[in-house]
Amino acid sequence: ETGVTQTPRHLVMGMTNKKSLKCEQHLGHNAMYWYKQSAKKPLELMFVYSLEERVENNSVPSRFSPECPNSSHLFLHLHTLQPEDSALYLCASSERPGGTGELFFGEGSRLTVL
Amino acid sequence: DAKTTQPTSMDCAEGRAANLPCNHSTISGNEYVYWYRQIHSQGPQYIIHGLKNNETNEMASLIITEDRKSSTLILPHATLRDTAVYYCIVRRTTNTGNQFYFGTGTSLTVIP
Repeated sequence: ETGVTQTPRHLVMGMTNKKSLKCEQHLGHNAMYWYKQSAKKPLELMFVYSLEERVENNSVPSRFSPECPNSSHLFLHLHTLQPEDSALYLCASSERPGGTGELFFGEGSRLTVL
Repeated sequence: DAKTTQPTSMDCAEGRAANLPCNHSTISGNEYVYWYRQIHSQGPQYIIHGLKNNETNEMASLIITEDRKSSTLILPHATLRDTAVYYCIVRRTTNTGNQFYFGTGTSLTVIP
């Protein structure tokens, strides 16, 4: 139990589908993150939320739409994705952005776009 | 940007110390060095972090050179379960705070 739970663990979708990834943290943290990990590539920081406000968006295409309704939940809404978007999507949380505390990661959601 | 350079892969015999090097020659004075590891298909796991002084915890030791341009993660007695990709990260300061940017890491294989 890592304290950060991601669902679903595996998702297969077509390019015209709309789906969502969900992340929940049980650690009382105030910051949450989405990372993308493609095969043979480093983890890429996508979005950062602090106290439910988006504070960083690293030039992510608009077909990825994050939502943070409260400090414990983070969603990544997916629509009209491309096959190159297939990757492991990792959610993480920390006490607050900018602190010395470490990131706590979930197990990831493995996305395959057909 | 304070980027890191790590060897792509390393092997270590079970029971021996694993020493994983990392170069971060452009690190700034207030930037921390963090180490994470990722076992296949799992989320990265925090190991240790430091600023200037050497650090030790129940998992590993972190040795940072005096000029802070490089560091070494030491797993004192490697086990088969330590086989993973190890990431050395310099936490970067942005206008929204300090963020973690991962490199390609070192794939450590512990050999029986």
